Parts: sequence; structure tokens; C-alpha cells
Amino acid sequence: DGGITQSPKYLFRKEGQNVTLSCEQNLNHDAMYWYRQDPGQGLRLIYYSQIVNDFQKGDIAEGYSVSREKKESFPLTVTSAQKNPTAFYLCASSDGANTGELFFGEGSRLTVL
Amino acid sequence: QQQVKQSPQSLIVQKGGIPIINCAYENTAFDYFPWYQQFPGKGPALLIAIRPDVSEKKEGRFTISFNKSAKQFSLHIMDSQPGDSATYFCAARGWGGCTSYGKLTFGQGTILTVHP
Repeated sequence: DGGITQSPKYLFRKEGQNVTLSCEQNLNHDAMYWYRQDPGQGLRLIYYSQIVNDFQKGDIAEGYSVSREKKESFPLTVTSAQKNPTAFYLCASSDGANTGELFFGEGSRLTVL
Repeated sequence: QQQVKQSPQSLIVQKGGIPIINCAYENTAFDYFPWYQQFPGKGPALLIAIRPDVSEKKEGRFTISFNKSAKQFSLHIMDSQPGDSATYFCAARGWGGCTSYGKLTFGQGTILTVHP
């Protein structure tokens, strides 16, 4: 089955530690995205990538980093510089021809202790 | 202005009722307005979408009403069922600057509960 796989589903981190969230897709989509979801704030774009080896900052990129070395993979690192990292993180992809339809993974819930 | 404002934040209806979720936007350059449905512990999934040259679109029990002059659009769920209980997000697509990327801006979300 084609889709987006995010791991881990739940992650706990101590303050000051970096953590990397995995996102893999087998939909052969060119574009991939990372969103952060907080209650009452909707989905906010962290980073996006339209093509391999290229990515752009979204609305809330500070404290995060990404890489896009392969078409199917778009990992997100939450660094210690992110002041409020506890959140639900969603990875998505889209066919470059229609960026209105995003296909989301099931998310990763990060809790900083 | 790239914001999309969604209301209400939460909504409770009885089975068979018609919940209505509203969204408003400022950017007249938005060209595509999707709604996403998210069940607990899952990622959102596209439910229905509309373009601004159409005033209404219906798919099954879900209808989008679009008012271009008022810059508002809404989701209606006919004959709502307990299985419709989920979080609903409206969104709007805009094209920024010199890039070819159509960015989605999401509303704040509405938690819908349909009681049996």
C-alpha cells in the first residue's frame, strides 16, 4: 500500500537534546512537508521540499532542520534551540502537479520532559 | 494577509443534525479551498475541495458553500453520524513571490462531536 510512514509514533526527550523524526513515502511524490499541530492553532508549516536536495523554510522553521537526500525521505530534526518543542508533528507529501491535496502520515508526538 | 480564520473551535450536535463550520480569509489571490478531516491519532485526509469560480460543491453528505464577495466558505455535514466525529480543518492555497509553490494555509480547526 502506498502512503506516508512516520516514526516513532511517540517520543520523549530531555531538554537540551536533539531528536530526529523520520518520514518515508512510497507515493513517488516530488514534494514533501513538515507541519506542527498544536491545539487551537491548526497546522503550521515548518519546512517543505519540492525536489531532492532542495528545501525551503516554512512559517515556523526556527529550531528545526531538515534534509532531502532521497526522494522518498524527508527527516526532521528538532534541535535544542526550539523553545517549545512539545507538539504533534505531521509529515505530508503531494504530487507536484496539485499542491492542494496533501497526503499525511499518522504523526509523531514529541514530549519534552 | 495569509490567515484563514475558522470557527467554531468546537461543535456538538446530535445524530442527524447539520453541523456547519465556517472559514474566512483575506487574500483574494487564494485559488483553491480544501477541507481536511482528522480522526484522533491520525493524520488529516482530504475530504472535499472547491475552487472560487464555484459557489457550492457537494460530495455525499458533505457540502462546501463558497461566498467569494464575502471571502467566506463553509462546510455543511448533512445527516451527521457519530462516525463523523473528528477535527475538521479548512485551508486555502496561495502562490507566494517568485516560487511556483502553492502553499496551503490552514484554519485553526474545529472539533466536531456527534452524539448518538
